[in-house]
Amino acid sequence: QVQLQESGPTLVKPSETLSLTCTVSVYSINYFWGWIRQPPGKGLEWIVSRYYSGTIFYNPSLESRVSISADTSKNLFSVSLTSVTAADTAIYYCARGNSDWYVFDIWGRGTLVTVSS
Amino acid sequence: QSALTQPPSASGSPGQSVTISCTGTSSDVGAYVYVSWYQQHPGKAPKLLIFEVSKRPSGVPDRFSGSKSGYTASLTVSGLQSEDEADYFCSSYAGGNTFVFGTGTKVTVL
Repeated sequence: QVQLQESGPTLVKPSETLSLTCTVSVYSINYFWGWIRQPPGKGLEWIVSRYYSGTIFYNPSLESRVSISADTSKNLFSVSLTSVTAADTAIYYCARGNSDWYVFDIWGRGTLVTVSS
Repeated sequence: QSALTQPPSASGSPGQSVTISCTGTSSDVGAYVYVSWYQQHPGKAPKLLIFEVSKRPSGVPDRFSGSKSGYTASLTVSGLQSEDEADYFCSSYAGGNTFVFGTGTKVTVL
């Protein structure tokens, strides 16, 4: 079973950049890889997806502040979100996407990132 | 890209059925068969329950079923069990390799 694990700072100051990494047990060419977040007590919000080929798709509401990259040799992909505010406080999940079903079928356990001074 | 609308809560007694709605627009739920449902227990990652409106991944009990009509998708949990108490989220493909999630529904087993 494929496993994903998020890592990165749990506290980020306002106006700074939030950066997280997802380590994948099997980083396969047959899937896409993405980030989804969940503010405490609220719903899920898709952030960004990246195909193995390098093609990237963004949530339009976050596109200007988001970047995603991957290091396939190390089985990991990363996300950065610039100019963060308290509204970016959330549990951030990385997930594997299935392009046959257009669904995120395997998720990491998530990591809570708090934006506060 | 607005969140899909779900009722905040739903409940049922053990053995009963509960149905959760998920309302979108002509740009997401109404346009594609790629509607999925996730179950999330407190402090846990979401788990895929349903994909392509009504298909279940291996290992998901057939007590969980999905359907869609127009702009509204639905998840029905039949034969409610205590372990079904969780948050449920819908999601839809929204074109251009983008996705939108629902507002979430908390299911309580009475």
